[in-house]
Amino acid sequence: EPEVTQTPSHQVTQMGQEVILRCVPISNHLYFYWYRQILGQKVEFLVSFYNNEISEKSEIFDDQFSVERPDGSNFTLKIRSTKLEDSAMYFCATSYDRSYEQYFGPGTRLTVT
Amino acid sequence: EDQVTQSPEALRLQEGESSSLNCSYTVSGLRGLFWYRQDPGKGPEFLFTLYSAGEEKEKERLKATLTKKESFLHITAPKPEDSATYLCAVLKSGDNTDKLIFGTGTRLQVFP
Repeated sequence: EPEVTQTPSHQVTQMGQEVILRCVPISNHLYFYWYRQILGQKVEFLVSFYNNEISEKSEIFDDQFSVERPDGSNFTLKIRSTKLEDSAMYFCATSYDRSYEQYFGPGTRLTVT
Repeated sequence: EDQVTQSPEALRLQEGESSSLNCSYTVSGLRGLFWYRQDPGKGPEFLFTLYSAGEEKEKERLKATLTKKESFLHITAPKPEDSATYLCAVLKSGDNTDKLIFGTGTRLQVFP
């Protein structure tokens, strides 16, 4: 069964450093999303991406964040200068169409020290 | 303000003891409602999509129903392997894409 994969599974970084989180979507899916989940809190929408551009972003997704699909397969989330409050699980999700079910990857646990 | 509320926060059941989880919502531009299962340290695992009031979906011991204001996830004769957090998420329409608004989940523990 096709699945979304994410790397790395765990990333530890120092405050102010840049991190790139990677996702490989399900192959025929066209819509891509990043969500995050701070420990003990709900899953929150960050950004959606379609047709090689951002479709929608939340208030959380400020200038420190960026997304791209550099090679037509990977989908990446970059945080330019990490803060302590960026520590969370980051989930990539993909869907075939905008109203279809979104399938989530296993997540990347980001720890900012 | 868009809101998704799940109850109870936690539920402890004996194996075989059926129960229901509730998800109530106030979301403008609702396109559908999803149920996910999440195990500790893992990503949400898709269970069901419901698009219109009156719709029902079933999978093994789970059955999801939808009304205009809430959804229920019924668990019949649960087993210990059903222990997980169950997440409700409303699909909200946007200009170009739709996004999921999640509830805080119900943490289910099933004891043998």
